[in-house]
Amino acid sequence: NAGVTQTPKFRILKIGQSMTLQCTQDMNHNYMYWYRQDPGMGLKLIYYSVGAGITDKGEVPNGYNVSRSTTEDFPLRLELAAPSQTSVYFCASSKPWETQYFGPGTRLTVL
Amino acid sequence: GESVGLHLPTLSVQEGDNSIINCAYSNSASDYFIWYKQESGKGPQFIIDIRSNMDKRQGQRVTVLLNKTVKHLSLQIAATQPGDSAVYFCAESARGAGSYQLTFGKGTKLSVIP
Repeated sequence: NAGVTQTPKFRILKIGQSMTLQCTQDMNHNYMYWYRQDPGMGLKLIYYSVGAGITDKGEVPNGYNVSRSTTEDFPLRLELAAPSQTSVYFCASSKPWETQYFGPGTRLTVL
Repeated sequence: GESVGLHLPTLSVQEGDNSIINCAYSNSASDYFIWYKQESGKGPQFIIDIRSNMDKRQGQRVTVLLNKTVKHLSLQIAATQPGDSAVYFCAESARGAGSYQLTFGKGTKLSVIP
C-alpha cells in the first residue's frame, strides 16, 4: 500500500490565485482529514470527512473548501489565496476511532 | 479552549541515553492519547498510543506513561539513537465523548548528540 499520498509537494501562489491540494489514500479508510502546520507549531484541523459525501469543519476552515466524492480522495480547495495561508498542509486518514495516518505534506507559499 | 501542551520545547540527549518527553493536557474528557514523530520535511508518523483505562504501554524502545490524576503524558525512548532526532507531538481526543478529532500540542524537538 502507498498509504496517504499528496500532490503537489511544493507550490508557490500569488495572492488571489486558487488551487486544489490533492489527497488520496489506498487503505479503504472512511475517515479523512486536512491539517495545516505553521512553523514551530502543532497541527490544526481544517476539515474532515467521515465518508463519501460527508464533510465537516474543523478548527480553522475559513478560506478553504473540501469535497469527498469517493472513499479514496479528499481534495482541499483554496479559492482566493492569502499570505496567511502560507503553511504546510497534511492530509490524514483513519478507520473510525483509530489512529490517523499522515501523508508527506504539501508546502504552500502565498506571495 | 482546552488544549494539549508540552513542558519542554527542545531536548538534547547523548546517544545511548534514555529520553523523556513530557506533555500536559487539560481536557478532562480526553480518553485517547497518541505520540507522533515528525522528521524534517515529512508528515507525522505514529509511534504509540494509549487509552485512558491504562497507565502504561510499551512498544519497541518506547514507553508511554499516562497520569490521569495530574493530566500528564510522557514518552520514554530507551537507548536514544541519532535516528530518533525529530519533533515529537502528543495528541489527544475525547472519543468517549463522541469526538474523533485530535488536538495536537506544539511539539518537542529531540536532538541526539552522537
